[in-house]
Parts: sequence; C-alpha cells; structure tokens
Amino acid sequence: QKEVEQNSGPLSVPEGAIASLNCTYSDRGSQSFFWYRQYSGKSPELIMFIYSNGDKEDGRFTAQLNKASQYVSLLIRDSQPSDSATYLCAGPGGQNFVFGPGTRLSVLP
Amino acid sequence: EAGVAQSPRYKIIEKRQSVAFWCNPISGHATLYWYQQILGQGPKLLIQFQNNGVVDDSQLPKDRFSAERLKGVDSTLKIQPAKLEDSAVYLCASSFGHTGELFFGEGSRLTVL
Repeated sequence: QKEVEQNSGPLSVPEGAIASLNCTYSDRGSQSFFWYRQYSGKSPELIMFIYSNGDKEDGRFTAQLNKASQYVSLLIRDSQPSDSATYLCAGPGGQNFVFGPGTRLSVLP
Repeated sequence: EAGVAQSPRYKIIEKRQSVAFWCNPISGHATLYWYQQILGQGPKLLIQFQNNGVVDDSQLPKDRFSAERLKGVDSTLKIQPAKLEDSAVYLCASSFGHTGELFFGEGSRLTVL
C-alpha cells in the first residue's frame, strides 16, 4: 500500500510568519503531488500541485518536491488567520491518488 | 460554471438501515470519485469511475456499499445495511482526466445511530 504521511499538528504560527507543512511518501516512482486546503466543515479545495523536482511558486504559496528524499512541502509566506485550515497532501497510490491525514494549521493574530 | 452537486447534505439513520447519496459532477468531467472522510482523517477513496466504467473499487466494502454511474454523468452511492462505523462525510469529486486535480462537492454527512 503506497502511503502519504503528514504530521497531524496542530501547527501554530503567528500572523505574518512562514508556515511550513511537510509530507513524506513511500512510492519512489511518484511524479506528482497535490496540496489541498480544507476549512473546518468544508470540502477540500486544490491550492497547489507540483509535477517535477524543485520549487513551484504561486503567490504566497510555494510547493517543493524532493524526490531523492521522498518529501514534498508547502510553504505559506506572510501567513494570515484566513490560512487556518487543514492542509492535505495527495500523491500517487496505485491506480489513484492517496491523501495524507492532513496537518492542521492555526495562524494566530 | 456549476460545481459538483451532492445531496443530501445531511442524513441521520439507525444502524442496519439503508441510505443513498447522489452526485452530479462538473459538466465535461469524465472521472468521478467517491471518498469517505472520517473525522480527523484524510479522504479515503471508495470508488473511481471513468465515464460509466469502474476504474478502482478496491477499497469499497462491497458487502454493504454499492455505486453506479449508469449514463456516465451523475452517480449514486448506496449503503445497505449501515453500520455505526459508516458515520462519515461522503465526498464526491470529479476531474477532467485521471489527474490529482479534483473538484469536490460539499459532501454528504452521514450519522449512523
């Protein structure tokens, strides 16, 4: 069973700081990863995806993929209270995509 | 563009009863997924359809769960009989192809008493 692991948190950061969320995976052949944000009581929504080694930036968000170390991370710069949510990492798992358990982020005003 | 539609939003049933959830994906999305999300956990795939064919149902408890997508558009997920451990949010998602870029509906929250 291919797995995606995340620290469940909660991760607390002060407003304006950089939040760093990490995800590790077991399948060395995995090529693509996705970060979803899920507010409490809501459905997941896709915020970033990364298909190649290295960094990908989109506004305040940066996704990083390190295939050699089998981890993928999401950095949120200038964190805002509205970023408080659970962040789910998803990666390939067999024929489909496997979600990690999610990391709960709390941005403190 | 309309998003993924799901109904009902909430359902409370007694154990051993049956329940059905309905999903209508984004227009043009050939791939449809049903996920189960238990509180505090990530979504777990139950079944994936490509058009009206099943691609992956390896984690679907087939003794009690069934799903269909007869015309390649909307889909129904049924649980019969329900168990206490089926209490969860059932999420429907769709995608244009087989990628990880999923669009989720609002979910159907099931409580089994």
